[in-house]
Amino acid sequence: GQQVMQIPQYQHVQEGEDFTTYCNSSTTLSNIQWYKQRPGGHPVFLIQLVKSGEVKKQKRLTFQFGEAKKNSSLHITATQTTDVGTYFCAGPWRAGGTSYGKLTFGQGTILTVHP
Amino acid sequence: DTGVSQDPRHKITKRGQNVTFRCDPISEHNRLYWYRQTLGQGPEFLTYFQNEAQLEKSRLLSDRFSAERPKGSFSTLEIQRTEQGDSAMYLCASTPPSGQPNYGYTFGSGTRLTVV
Repeated sequence: GQQVMQIPQYQHVQEGEDFTTYCNSSTTLSNIQWYKQRPGGHPVFLIQLVKSGEVKKQKRLTFQFGEAKKNSSLHITATQTTDVGTYFCAGPWRAGGTSYGKLTFGQGTILTVHP
Repeated sequence: DTGVSQDPRHKITKRGQNVTFRCDPISEHNRLYWYRQTLGQGPEFLTYFQNEAQLEKSRLLSDRFSAERPKGSFSTLEIQRTEQGDSAMYLCASTPPSGQPNYGYTFGSGTRLTVV
């Protein structure tokens, strides 16, 4: 199975600053998913990327899947206090695995936003 | 159907006791997953079911852990002879059948287990 690494582990920003978290896989992924977990909550699905080089936007969030499909990033523009939480990337356990099966999660990036 | 339900939300047990958790997935979802999460870590895979069949179980899972999904609907996760290292959040998630629109895992709120 593959390993998924995320950096940084922690990120503290002032409200209004940008934030980026990076995800790297030891193997090529058929797809990658991103989740957000608020403090005290459970992970909530944000998005899935499938195509090489794919870029998707959700309001202030921009998700990118690398050309080699081994890395991904999440960028938040002008952070707000509502962005606080832990952001996880996750990929299928096996090369070529679908998004319907077992996922390997990264260790997450904890984002704190100071007002 | 309002999502994935887990019960109980919190469980405190003494070391050596058995505990059982329940998960009710979204009714249209045929795949059900159990994950464990400790502080500062991402969810770690335990096992998953497609309908009533248990398709995979983590090698990290000792024989003290067992999961069932007898009728392909709700699932239970039992931990026998609990140890302090079992203290964690136990998360259940579900996904729809392959081929249907997939919006990732839908997680339940989790069961937080504390072994004292």
